[in-house]
Amino acid sequence: GAVVSQHPSWVICKSGTSVKIECRSLDFQATTMFWYRQFPKQSLMLMATSNEGSKATYEQGVEKDKFLINHASLTLSTLTVTSAHPEDSSFYICSASGAGGRGTDTQYFGPGTRLTVL
Amino acid sequence: LAKTTQPISMDSYEGQEVNITCSHNNIATNDYITWYQQFPSQGPRFIIQGYKTKVTNEVASLFIPADRKSSTLSLPRVSLSDTAVYYCLVGDFYNQGGKLIFGQGTELSVKP
Repeated sequence: GAVVSQHPSWVICKSGTSVKIECRSLDFQATTMFWYRQFPKQSLMLMATSNEGSKATYEQGVEKDKFLINHASLTLSTLTVTSAHPEDSSFYICSASGAGGRGTDTQYFGPGTRLTVL
Repeated sequence: LAKTTQPISMDSYEGQEVNITCSHNNIATNDYITWYQQFPSQGPRFIIQGYKTKVTNEVASLFIPADRKSSTLSLPRVSLSDTAVYYCLVGDFYNQGGKLIFGQGTELSVKP
């Protein structure tokens, strides 16, 4: 149980284009989803937290107009990188957690999406 | 959110028991401790979670002393495939929505 998928697993795009990454919880309902970014040899950096049906909460320094997050259902969240540039090239990872407030609500992570902007 | 401190790297040999200790001096009452394993170009994989004392599952044990200011992940009889980065995280699921802040993690290298 507790499987999270991401699509696509990798994407290459031209500078200036927009890219959408999907994150799905396959066998549980995710009230909260998180988006992280990871550069080579570095740790994961939290970008934003999204709750189903409400606006995402972005971490300090993350441009909300550049990284659009939509959490339209309890099993799907999307991250759209708008007008991507080479510096946006990174490994993007989502995670999902089930009903919040239980105190032991574990985050389960997707396999990640490698974005390369040319 | 409580900050965590772990050794940057550790070396071990196949068949040995590996213990990775994490310090979280500012852990709050509602905080749980969770450990993840990450291989290159993959998302982190949940290993174990606990609040106090000892927790054991099929892959690891987690030891948490009474003051909860530290925790130790124990991996019994490691193999080459356990070479990975291990992250210790502390999160308050009541007040932070489960938000986790990743530290640098511990890069474990298992040698034959």
